[in-house]
Amino acid sequence: EDQVTQSPEALRLQEGESSSLNCSYTVSGLRGLFWYRQDPGKGPEFLFTLYSAGEEKEKERLKATLTKKESFLHITAPKPEDSATYLCAVQRSYNTDKLIFGTGTRLQVFP
Amino acid sequence: DTAVSQTPKYLVTQMGNDKSIKCEQNLGHDTMYWYKQDSKKFLKIMFSYNNKELIINETVPNRFSPKSPDKAHLNLHINSLELGDSAVYFCASSQDAEGGDEQFFGPGTRLTVL
Repeated sequence: EDQVTQSPEALRLQEGESSSLNCSYTVSGLRGLFWYRQDPGKGPEFLFTLYSAGEEKEKERLKATLTKKESFLHITAPKPEDSATYLCAVQRSYNTDKLIFGTGTRLQVFP
Repeated sequence: DTAVSQTPKYLVTQMGNDKSIKCEQNLGHDTMYWYKQDSKKFLKIMFSYNNKELIINETVPNRFSPKSPDKAHLNLHINSLELGDSAVYFCASSQDAEGGDEQFFGPGTRLTVL
């Protein structure tokens, strides 16, 4: 059965303290892996799509990487405005319009 | 300009009532979706439509009926509401169903069934 697991569930960081979020997946044929950011009371906001193992993408303080079993979202020198829930989702190579989401990592960055 | 909009933002109603949530996207996308996010923040797809045609219908009770009058709109009608229907419902859209394009989400509708 296709599954997406994110860890940790919650992460508290001091401003400037770099860390990584993990997304482990089991899927029968991966077409793409997506990272989204969700602020309280809002819809998820797209960050990255990764398609193949070894691929990396960066945006400001965020860098996403992908292997055959997991993806990492690295946060370098985070700021309080990076506080949000980060969601990972996989898209299969068939039924491509369906995203399977993990339960997210709630990140809090304190000044 | 709001890309994906939903109304209402909050919906409080009694068990057994029928209610609708509306969604509109102004991105010119071909595919629209409904997701349900439960109290543990787990986001699960319910339906997707491509050019007004139903593509995905997950194991959702038939009390839930999506309707797409045109490719910019996808509404969700819920009959005989139950306590377990309380959740946040998100509408989303993407350029097409197969391209691996990102999905753009609306702000959500928080449904509370009393």
